Amino acid sequence: ETGVTQTPRHLVMGMTNKKSLKCEQHLGHNAMYWYKQSAKKPLELMFVYNFKEQTENNSVPSRFSPECPNSSHLFLHLHTLQPEDSALYLCASSQGGFTDTQYFGPGTRLTVL
Amino acid sequence: EDKVVQSPLSLVVHEGDTVTLNCSYEVTNFRSLLWYKQEKKAPTFLFMLTSSGIEKKSGRLSSILDKKELFSILNITATQTGDSAVYLCAVPIQMDSNYQLIWGAGTKLIIKP
Repeated sequence: ETGVTQTPRHLVMGMTNKKSLKCEQHLGHNAMYWYKQSAKKPLELMFVYNFKEQTENNSVPSRFSPECPNSSHLFLHLHTLQPEDSALYLCASSQGGFTDTQYFGPGTRLTVL
Repeated sequence: EDKVVQSPLSLVVHEGDTVTLNCSYEVTNFRSLLWYKQEKKAPTFLFMLTSSGIEKKSGRLSSILDKKELFSILNITATQTGDSAVYLCAVPIQMDSNYQLIWGAGTKLIIKP
């Protein structure tokens, strides 16, 4: 498999549930990112990881918890979400710095009931 | 090859001056152009431009897109020291089932008191 993959593609969860989004990149990149895209809004950067170290947390609520066990895998753990957290969550990777071309996964469409 | 080029790479002006930052692009399947401001943290979103000739404005900042000549400009009037930052433009592109974000290298703007 090549590129950036994300699972699941769709997720519906209640506000009391705990779930995790998974991202895997097969590009040999060193940096990975989580973005949120709400309806009719541009991408919002959530987290940045470089060589497994979190370098940016863009003021994201603590109900979103990222995990990067290695440079190929990135998780986003979700708990006690709110309906306004419903959005498309996109994972991306790049070779090195933030302004290197970022390759995106297909996204997870999350609906919080 | 898709590319986004910003100019100038750096710019030093005095408070109160007006600056114009440039972003030119050569991409396939153009849909939109994004401007971000990056201080010490991750970039914060400024504008998304999709249509030629329509100015987007937010306070002292404004931006416009020219899809015929393939560029965008970001204007900042009556600059303040707080405007000092790196200004980034990015173009999202869709290649088959893959989504990429092509970044310019940024313009480092320094506003002197």
